[in-house]
Amino acid sequence: AQTVTQSQPEMSVQEAETVTLSCTYDTSESDYYLFWYKQPPSRQMILVIRQEAYKQQNATENRFSVNFQKAAKSFSLKISDSQLGDAAMYFCAYRSARDSNYQLIWGAGTKLIIKP
Amino acid sequence: KAGVTQTPRYLIKTRGQQVTLSCSPISGHRSVSWYQQTPGQGLQFLFEYFSETQRNKGNFPGRFSGRQFSNSRSEMNVSTLELGDSALYLCASSFGGFVEKLFFGSGTQLSVL
Repeated sequence: AQTVTQSQPEMSVQEAETVTLSCTYDTSESDYYLFWYKQPPSRQMILVIRQEAYKQQNATENRFSVNFQKAAKSFSLKISDSQLGDAAMYFCAYRSARDSNYQLIWGAGTKLIIKP
Repeated sequence: KAGVTQTPRYLIKTRGQQVTLSCSPISGHRSVSWYQQTPGQGLQFLFEYFSETQRNKGNFPGRFSGRQFSNSRSEMNVSTLELGDSALYLCASSFGGFVEKLFFGSGTQLSVL
């Protein structure tokens, strides 16, 4: 069974600085998808960034980028120029590429605090 | 375009009762999936529906059930509630393609007393 581990329950960063959130996963599959979701106090999960395992290039979305290390099964999220609105819970998630499997497997989350 | 709507936002029930939660997906989306979020267990997949058919089911007891209607709206039902069922229940919708962006609602916070 696949598992996702986020070892940092909480991280804090000064506004405008850069922070990296860690995620490792365990799987025997070679084809899968990885995601970072953000959950603000409103509780609504918002997709931050997505990475296909077959792509070697790291995904980027504006101030958000990932460091995807397939061999190490590591998928970290870097947030540049942190803003107050980035404060939230961040969840790493895994999804198999097998056609019959639609579920996301989630990490425990990292609470990100932005200091003004 | 309206987002994913979950009703009610908060619910208080007592042990042994049953509860029905509702999820209205984004217009045009045919897939609805449900997740349970608790401080202890984190986020866990319940089930996913596409065009009124359940495609996937997580490891939850049979007390948890769901359905999807022809307009893609979905309901989940929990019978014989237990204290451990207290959780935030999130639903997400998408067009239904294999790996697509999921759009989440704000959840229903269920408290079982």
